[in-house]
Amino acid sequence: ETGVTQSPTHLIKTRGQQVTLRCSSQSGHNTVSWYQQALGQGPQFIFQYYREEENGRGNFPPRFSGLQFPNYSSELNVNALELDDSALYLCASSVRDSNADTQYFGPGTRLTVL
Amino acid sequence: GEDVEQSLFLSVREGDSSVINCTYTDSSSTYLYWYKQEPGAGLQLLTYIFSNMDMKQDQRLTVLLNKKDKHLSLRIADTQTGDSAIYFCAESFTGGGNKLTFGTGTQLKVEL
Repeated sequence: ETGVTQSPTHLIKTRGQQVTLRCSSQSGHNTVSWYQQALGQGPQFIFQYYREEENGRGNFPPRFSGLQFPNYSSELNVNALELDDSALYLCASSVRDSNADTQYFGPGTRLTVL
Repeated sequence: GEDVEQSLFLSVREGDSSVINCTYTDSSSTYLYWYKQEPGAGLQLLTYIFSNMDMKQDQRLTVLLNKKDKHLSLRIADTQTGDSAIYFCAESFTGGGNKLTFGTGTQLKVEL
């Protein structure tokens, strides 16, 4: 158990809809990163939040957006869902500039887009 | 550019050692990590190594890093059925915003 929690566990949406996924970071961690893991693939970095601001972004379109709150929890929002957005969405928390910047992952949210 | 490659499958007998290999292309990698993922679960951090180290041992796990060849390996001694999972190597680098770049994963199957 890493102490990182995500909700919901599973979600089914239809194409064109919008979705919000939530993540609570491990106690004492100030940075949250989001990853998309398609079936049979390794996780792909979406973006990272530190001090409530986006701090690095991967190769994802603007319809993927996020927020970080003062308690360091975070949301991932995806607009205009496409079939290819079906994946496991993982968040990871860490302490910025700590030793190794190690990231601890939550259990993920499985999103299915029909 | 950034690219991390792993072989897809590895099958070993219980009690044997497992060696999972990974190659990466970014020479500016700062840290290299090994994560374990069981079916339907998130990623569990197993161990990591700083790029100026050659080896790190942690109980049954030994990580070897050959920076010249950009090759990373994870050895699991006395492999157990509970070690069956997908293993991902990942790299991060200074100036990369602490983004992790993952390999495609190696599925380890431990047979009795």
